[in-house]
Amino acid sequence: TQLLEQSPQFLSIQEGENLTVYCNSSSVFSSLQWYRQEPGEGPVLLVTVVTGGEVKKLKRLTFQFGDARKDSSLHITAAQPGDTGLYLCAGASGGSNYKLTFGKGTLLTVNP
Amino acid sequence: DTGVSQDPRHKITKRGQNVTFRCDPISEHNRLYWYRQTLGQGPEFLTYFQNEAQLEKSRLLSDRFSAERPKGSFSTLEIQRTEQGDSAMYLCASSPLLSPGEQFFGPGTRLTVL
Repeated sequence: TQLLEQSPQFLSIQEGENLTVYCNSSSVFSSLQWYRQEPGEGPVLLVTVVTGGEVKKLKRLTFQFGDARKDSSLHITAAQPGDTGLYLCAGASGGSNYKLTFGKGTLLTVNP
Repeated sequence: DTGVSQDPRHKITKRGQNVTFRCDPISEHNRLYWYRQTLGQGPEFLTYFQNEAQLEKSRLLSDRFSAERPKGSFSTLEIQRTEQGDSAMYLCASSPLLSPGEQFFGPGTRLTVL
C-alpha cells in the first residue's frame, strides 16, 4: 500500500508570511499533483510535476519534486487570506499511471 | 471547457434506499474516475473508466456499488441498500489520455445516509 504523508497537518499563519508544506512517501511516483480544496467543493488542480528535481512556479507558489520522485514540497511566499484552504498532494502510479494516492492534506489558514 | 460537473450536489437518504449519482467529464477526456472522501481524509480511489470500459475497481467498492459509462461520455455511480457508513463526498474526475495523473475534479456529491 502506497502512503503519502503530509506535514504539517494544520498551519495557521499571518498574512505576508512564507510557508512550506511537505509531502513524503517511500514509494516512487510517475507524477505528483498538488490540489487545493475548499469546504464542500472538489479539489482544484494546481500543478503536475513529473521529472525528478523539477521545480514549477505558479505566481507566489513554488512546487518541487524530489530527485527520487518520492517527495515534494509546496512553498508559498507572502501568503494571503485567499490562500486559505486544504492543500492535498496526490501521486500517480501503477501500470497505467492513473490511480491517484492522496495524502490527508495540510489545512492552511492565513489570517489577515 | 465547462469543467467536470456532478449531479446532485447533495443527497440525503434513509438507510436501505438506493441512490444514483451522475458525472459529466470534460468533453475531450477519455478517462473518468470516481473517488470517495470522508471527513479529515484525502480522496480514495474507487474505480476508473477508459472510454466505456471499466478497467479497475477498488476493494472499497463493495457489491452494493456499481458504476457505468455507457457511451464513453457521462458516468453514473449507484449505491444499493445504502448504509450509514456510505456517508461521504463522492468525487468524479477526468483526465486526458496522455496525462492520466493530471486529473480534474468535479464539485462532488455529498451523500448523507440517515
